[in-house]
Amino acid sequence: EAGVVQSPRYKIIEKKQPVAFWCNPISGHNTLYWYRQNLGQGPELLIRYENEEAVDDSQLPKDRFSAERLKGVDSTLKIQPAELGDSAVYLCASSDDPGQGIYEQYFGPGTRLTVT
Amino acid sequence: QKEVEQNSGPLSVPEGAIASLNCTYSDRGSQSFFWYRQYSGKSPELIMFIYSNGDKEDGRFTAQLNKASQYVSLLIRDSQPSDSATYLCAVNGDYKLSFGAGTTVTVRA
Repeated sequence: EAGVVQSPRYKIIEKKQPVAFWCNPISGHNTLYWYRQNLGQGPELLIRYENEEAVDDSQLPKDRFSAERLKGVDSTLKIQPAELGDSAVYLCASSDDPGQGIYEQYFGPGTRLTVT
Repeated sequence: QKEVEQNSGPLSVPEGAIASLNCTYSDRGSQSFFWYRQYSGKSPELIMFIYSNGDKEDGRFTAQLNKASQYVSLLIRDSQPSDSATYLCAVNGDYKLSFGAGTTVTVRA
Protein backbone atom coordinates (compact mmCIF):
# COMPACT_ATOMS: atom_id res chain seq x y z
CA GLU A 1 0.00 0.00 0.00
CA ALA A 2 1.42 3.38 -0.98
CA GLY A 3 1.90 5.91 1.77
CA VAL A 4 1.15 9.59 1.84
CA VAL A 5 2.81 11.35 -1.09
CA GLN A 6 3.98 14.95 -0.95
CA SER A 7 5.71 17.25 -3.40
CA PRO A 8 7.97 19.01 -3.69
CA ARG A 9 10.35 17.64 -1.07
CA TYR A 10 12.33 20.86 -0.87
CA LYS A 11 11.56 24.42 -1.82
CA ILE A 12 13.64 27.57 -1.54
CA ILE A 13 11.93 30.87 -2.27
CA GLU A 14 12.48 34.55 -1.57
CA LYS A 15 10.21 36.31 0.87
CA LYS A 16 7.00 37.73 -0.57
CA GLN A 17 6.90 34.99 -3.22
CA PRO A 18 4.06 32.47 -3.37
CA VAL A 19 4.54 28.74 -2.79
CA ALA A 20 2.30 25.69 -3.00
CA PHE A 21 2.55 22.19 -1.56
CA TRP A 22 0.70 19.14 -2.81
CA CYS A 23 -0.43 16.03 -0.94
CA ASN A 24 -1.97 12.73 -1.98
CA PRO A 25 -3.24 10.75 1.03
CA ILE A 26 -3.33 7.01 1.54
CA SER A 27 -6.05 5.50 -0.62
CA GLY A 28 -9.35 5.33 1.23
CA HIS A 29 -8.36 7.79 3.95
CA ASN A 30 -11.09 10.38 4.27
CA THR A 31 -9.33 12.61 6.77
CA LEU A 32 -6.38 14.74 5.71
CA TYR A 33 -4.23 17.01 7.86
CA TRP A 34 -1.66 19.67 7.18
CA TYR A 35 0.92 20.30 9.89
CA ARG A 36 3.86 22.63 10.23
CA GLN A 37 6.95 21.52 12.11
CA ASN A 38 9.58 24.00 13.22
CA LEU A 39 13.06 22.83 14.10
CA GLY A 40 13.16 21.17 17.51
CA GLN A 41 9.39 21.20 17.91
CA GLY A 42 6.54 18.80 17.38
CA PRO A 43 4.16 19.19 14.44
CA GLU A 44 1.41 21.79 14.81
CA LEU A 45 -1.90 21.33 13.07
CA LEU A 46 -2.80 23.90 10.44
CA ILE A 47 -5.96 22.40 8.97
CA ARG A 48 -7.98 19.20 9.01
CA TYR A 49 -10.26 17.97 6.23
CA GLU A 50 -13.03 15.42 6.40
CA ASN A 51 -13.51 14.54 2.73
CA GLU A 52 -13.75 17.93 1.00
CA GLU A 53 -14.77 19.89 4.08
CA ALA A 54 -12.29 21.83 6.17
CA VAL A 55 -13.58 20.98 9.65
CA ASP A 56 -10.81 22.60 11.65
CA ASP A 57 -8.82 25.52 10.29
CA SER A 58 -8.55 27.44 13.53
CA GLN A 59 -4.74 27.39 13.45
CA LEU A 60 -4.39 28.36 9.79
CA PRO A 61 -3.07 31.94 9.33
CA LYS A 62 -5.79 32.89 6.90
CA ASP A 63 -4.26 36.18 5.84
CA ARG A 64 -1.56 34.37 3.88
CA PHE A 65 -2.35 30.65 3.97
CA SER A 66 -5.02 28.85 2.00
CA ALA A 67 -5.82 25.22 1.38
CA GLU A 68 -8.16 23.16 -0.71
CA ARG A 69 -9.09 19.54 -1.12
CA LEU A 70 -11.01 19.14 -4.30
CA LYS A 71 -12.95 15.89 -4.76
CA GLY A 72 -11.95 14.81 -1.27
CA VAL A 73 -8.64 13.26 -2.29
CA ASP A 74 -5.58 15.40 -3.13
CA SER A 75 -4.93 18.61 -1.27
CA THR A 76 -2.94 21.76 -1.87
CA LEU A 77 -1.62 24.17 0.74
CA LYS A 78 -0.59 27.63 -0.44
CA ILE A 79 1.28 30.51 1.13
CA GLN A 80 1.10 33.95 -0.43
CA PRO A 81 3.16 35.94 0.28
CA ALA A 82 5.75 33.90 2.15
CA GLU A 83 7.58 35.40 5.14
CA LEU A 84 10.90 34.45 6.69
CA GLY A 85 9.09 32.90 9.65
CA ASP A 86 7.34 30.43 7.35
CA SER A 87 10.55 28.43 6.97
CA ALA A 88 9.65 25.00 8.33
CA VAL A 89 8.74 21.48 7.29
CA TYR A 90 5.16 21.15 6.05
CA LEU A 91 3.75 17.72 6.73
CA CYS A 92 0.65 16.12 5.33
CA ALA A 93 -0.99 13.22 7.16
CA SER A 94 -4.05 11.11 6.61
CA SER A 95 -6.22 8.75 8.62
CA ASP A 96 -9.20 6.56 7.95
CA ASP A 97 -12.49 6.58 9.84
CA PRO A 98 -11.82 6.51 13.54
CA GLY A 99 -12.75 3.72 15.84
CA GLN A 100 -13.24 4.42 19.53
CA GLY A 101 -11.97 7.92 18.93
CA ILE A 102 -8.62 6.67 17.75
CA TYR A 103 -7.13 8.48 14.80
CA GLU A 104 -4.03 6.72 13.58
CA GLN A 105 -2.41 9.35 11.47
CA TYR A 106 0.22 8.50 8.91
CA PHE A 107 2.59 11.17 7.71
CA GLY A 108 4.07 11.91 4.33
CA PRO A 109 7.76 12.75 3.88
CA GLY A 110 7.13 16.47 4.20
CA THR A 111 8.20 19.55 2.26
CA ARG A 112 11.10 21.51 3.68
CA LEU A 113 10.51 25.19 2.94
CA THR A 114 13.27 27.76 3.19
CA VAL A 115 12.32 31.41 2.79
CA THR A 116 15.28 33.75 2.15
CA GLN B 1 -4.33 25.41 24.20
CA LYS B 2 -3.70 21.80 24.92
CA GLU B 3 -0.23 21.22 26.32
CA VAL B 4 1.90 18.16 26.00
CA GLU B 5 5.19 18.09 27.86
CA GLN B 6 7.99 15.62 27.38
CA ASN B 7 11.24 15.14 29.29
CA SER B 8 13.65 17.37 27.48
CA GLY B 9 16.52 14.98 26.89
CA PRO B 10 18.68 14.18 25.15
CA LEU B 11 18.62 10.72 26.61
CA SER B 12 21.68 8.56 26.15
CA VAL B 13 21.47 4.84 26.92
CA PRO B 14 23.86 1.95 26.31
CA GLU B 15 22.92 -0.71 23.82
CA GLY B 16 20.73 -3.36 25.43
CA ALA B 17 19.44 -1.07 28.18
CA ILE B 18 15.92 0.24 28.75
CA ALA B 19 15.08 3.73 27.54
CA SER B 20 12.26 5.41 29.46
CA LEU B 21 10.38 8.33 27.94
CA ASN B 22 7.81 10.40 29.79
CA CYS B 23 4.95 12.62 28.70
CA THR B 24 2.35 14.64 30.60
CA TYR B 25 -0.69 16.35 29.18
CA SER B 26 -3.02 19.08 30.39
CA ASP B 27 -6.41 18.16 28.87
CA ARG B 28 -8.28 15.64 31.00
CA GLY B 29 -10.68 15.04 28.12
CA SER B 30 -7.94 13.52 25.96
CA GLN B 31 -9.01 10.18 24.60
CA SER B 32 -6.05 8.46 23.00
CA PHE B 33 -2.31 8.74 23.09
CA PHE B 34 0.32 8.09 20.47
CA TRP B 35 4.04 7.63 20.26
CA TYR B 36 5.83 8.57 17.05
CA ARG B 37 9.46 8.04 16.16
CA GLN B 38 11.19 10.62 13.99
CA TYR B 39 14.62 10.06 12.51
CA SER B 40 16.64 13.14 11.66
CA GLY B 41 15.38 14.69 8.44
CA LYS B 42 12.46 12.28 8.19
CA SER B 43 8.77 12.49 8.99
CA PRO B 44 7.13 11.04 12.13
CA GLU B 45 6.43 7.32 12.07
CA LEU B 46 3.70 5.84 14.26
CA ILE B 47 5.05 3.33 16.80
CA MET B 48 1.97 2.63 18.88
CA PHE B 49 -1.08 4.07 20.54
CA ILE B 50 -2.87 3.49 23.83
CA TYR B 51 -6.28 4.55 25.09
CA SER B 52 -6.90 2.48 28.23
CA ASN B 53 -5.18 2.82 31.57
CA GLY B 54 -2.40 0.33 32.07
CA ASP B 55 0.28 -1.13 29.87
CA LYS B 56 0.32 -2.03 26.20
CA GLU B 57 3.19 -4.01 24.76
CA ASP B 58 4.31 -4.27 21.14
CA GLY B 59 7.58 -6.06 20.63
CA ARG B 60 10.32 -4.16 22.45
CA PHE B 61 8.02 -1.19 23.10
CA THR B 62 5.68 -0.76 26.06
CA ALA B 63 3.35 2.18 26.44
CA GLN B 64 1.93 3.01 29.86
CA LEU B 65 -1.06 5.25 30.52
CA ASN B 66 -2.32 6.76 33.75
CA LYS B 67 -5.23 9.07 33.04
CA ALA B 68 -5.66 10.08 36.69
CA SER B 69 -2.11 11.42 36.70
CA GLN B 70 -2.36 12.60 33.08
CA TYR B 71 0.80 10.72 32.30
CA VAL B 72 1.88 8.47 29.47
CA SER B 73 5.23 6.81 29.00
CA LEU B 74 7.14 4.70 26.53
CA LEU B 75 9.67 2.06 27.44
CA ILE B 76 12.10 0.73 24.87
CA ARG B 77 13.62 -2.54 26.00
CA ASP B 78 16.89 -3.96 24.67
CA SER B 79 17.68 -0.62 23.02
CA GLN B 80 19.44 -0.83 19.68
CA PRO B 81 21.47 1.80 17.80
CA SER B 82 18.60 1.88 15.27
CA ASP B 83 16.37 3.22 18.05
CA SER B 84 18.37 6.46 18.06
CA ALA B 85 15.77 9.06 17.07
CA THR B 86 13.45 11.69 18.46
CA TYR B 87 10.30 10.31 20.07
CA LEU B 88 7.17 12.41 19.92
CA CYS B 89 4.25 12.03 22.28
CA ALA B 90 0.90 13.01 20.79
CA VAL B 91 -2.44 13.40 22.53
CA ASN B 92 -5.78 13.17 20.78
CA GLY B 93 -8.59 15.45 21.84
CA ASP B 94 -11.32 17.16 19.83
CA TYR B 95 -10.37 15.04 16.81
CA LYS B 96 -6.82 16.40 16.52
CA LEU B 97 -3.39 15.54 17.78
CA SER B 98 -1.33 17.82 19.98
CA PHE B 99 2.35 16.96 19.96
CA GLY B 100 5.09 17.40 22.49
CA ALA B 101 8.45 18.78 21.44
CA GLY B 102 10.00 15.32 21.50
CA THR B 103 12.76 13.58 23.37
CA THR B 104 15.93 12.69 21.49
CA VAL B 105 17.31 9.26 22.31
CA THR B 106 20.84 8.16 21.52
CA VAL B 107 21.74 4.51 21.92
CA ARG B 108 25.48 4.09 22.24
CA ALA B 109 27.09 0.85 21.12
